[in-house]
Amino acid sequence: ETGVTQSPTHLIKTRGQQVTLRCSSQSGHNTVSWYQQALGQGPQFIFQYYREEENGRGNFPPRFSGLQFPNYSSELNVNALELDDSALYLCASSNRVRGSSNQPQHFGDGTRLSIL
Amino acid sequence: AQSVSQHNHHVILSEAASLELGCNYSYGGTVNLFWYVQYPGQHLQLLLKYFSGDPLVKGIKGFEAEFIKSKFSFNLRKPSVQWSDTAEYFCAVKGSGGYQKVTFGTGTKLQVIP
Repeated sequence: ETGVTQSPTHLIKTRGQQVTLRCSSQSGHNTVSWYQQALGQGPQFIFQYYREEENGRGNFPPRFSGLQFPNYSSELNVNALELDDSALYLCASSNRVRGSSNQPQHFGDGTRLSIL
Repeated sequence: AQSVSQHNHHVILSEAASLELGCNYSYGGTVNLFWYVQYPGQHLQLLLKYFSGDPLVKGIKGFEAEFIKSKFSFNLRKPSVQWSDTAEYFCAVKGSGGYQKVTFGTGTKLQVIP
């Protein structure tokens, strides 16, 4: 069973740039969630994708956007990067079954994004 | 809005000591509760979960947690910690039914001294 994989592992950008982070979900999982984890904080929910559609969103501005592909992999895009966007970005996948949401998420190792 | 509060930010214990990490949540409905662990240099791993039924939940590596609905609490316990339990522990809550986002606490760093 292949776990959740994220790429790249580290990334350095400057303010105003755009970034794309990638996530391959665990095999058999159809739902992907993205989280931002700032230093010393718990993960903060950005959004979730289920069957290629955004399924819920946290308190993040529209410059945070995403995609989910037919193979359930996902991208997180951030435009107009700001210094406060420096964080660890985590992807988590789960298998959502119709009529049940009780499926725990499996996390990737994250992408460490630094904004200079 | 749902929220999670972890009272202890940094806990230091000697090996064989007992552990209890506090977690309180706020949510106006039926909840699913989780504890995740992050060992140094590793990704978040699910330690245990509560969905329904027996409020005393047993997880991996000898951990357990008790859901006390009246106190909105889900404290994590282990009778005797080991050096290998050194890690950061996160409590998380999700509303049950349909889509619901997972909200994490700020985490508790546990350091076990040999």
